[in-house]
Amino acid sequence: DTGVSQDPRHKITKRGQNVTFRCDPISEHNRLYWYRQTLGQGPEFLTYFQNEAQLEKSRLLSDRFSAERPKGSFSTLEIQRTEQGDSAMYLCASSFGPNTEAFFGQGTRLTVV
Amino acid sequence: GDSVTQMEGPVTLSEEAFLTINCTYTATGYPSLFWYVQYPGEGLQLLLKATKADDKGSNKGFEATYRKETTSFHLEKGSVQVSDSAVYFCALSELTNAGKSTFGDGTTLTVKP
Repeated sequence: DTGVSQDPRHKITKRGQNVTFRCDPISEHNRLYWYRQTLGQGPEFLTYFQNEAQLEKSRLLSDRFSAERPKGSFSTLEIQRTEQGDSAMYLCASSFGPNTEAFFGQGTRLTVV
Repeated sequence: GDSVTQMEGPVTLSEEAFLTINCTYTATGYPSLFWYVQYPGEGLQLLLKATKADDKGSNKGFEATYRKETTSFHLEKGSVQVSDSAVYFCALSELTNAGKSTFGDGTTLTVKP
């Protein structure tokens, strides 16, 4: 068990570019969560999947954000037309079922310049 | 909606001092409560949890008791070490979706030798 893995760890992009992040959950975890964390604040929930189904999206997830988990294993989070306000740490977490706590990855730090 | 309020930091203590970080919450229903820790450069790690009133979560010398009457989940440790320096997050989640959490803004703890 290697834990939740996120790639890349850091991403610097120019405003207006698209970026995609990947998350590999702990194997056998059927739930996968995305959070965003800005400096000095706690993580904020964005969306979650059960297997390949996206079950909930936060109002924080604007139309420029899309997440997928095509085969119920890894997930991607894409941000289109990035804005400086998108600069944050994007965290992925996974859990084995609905009643167990989630394990977090180390995050992808996005800087939009 | 649900919310978590943490004691504002930063908190600076000398080694072997007693630690308390206050956490209160507002929630509809009957949430599960968590403390997460984030060491520099690392992801969030679950420190302890409690799922019902009067439950005491404990780990690595840290403790927190679920107080429904005061809607609180204060974190305590009797004798802190330099290695406890980190950011501590209080969080709550629904019992039926433990991975979807609402976090406080975190409290930075620095322990000096």
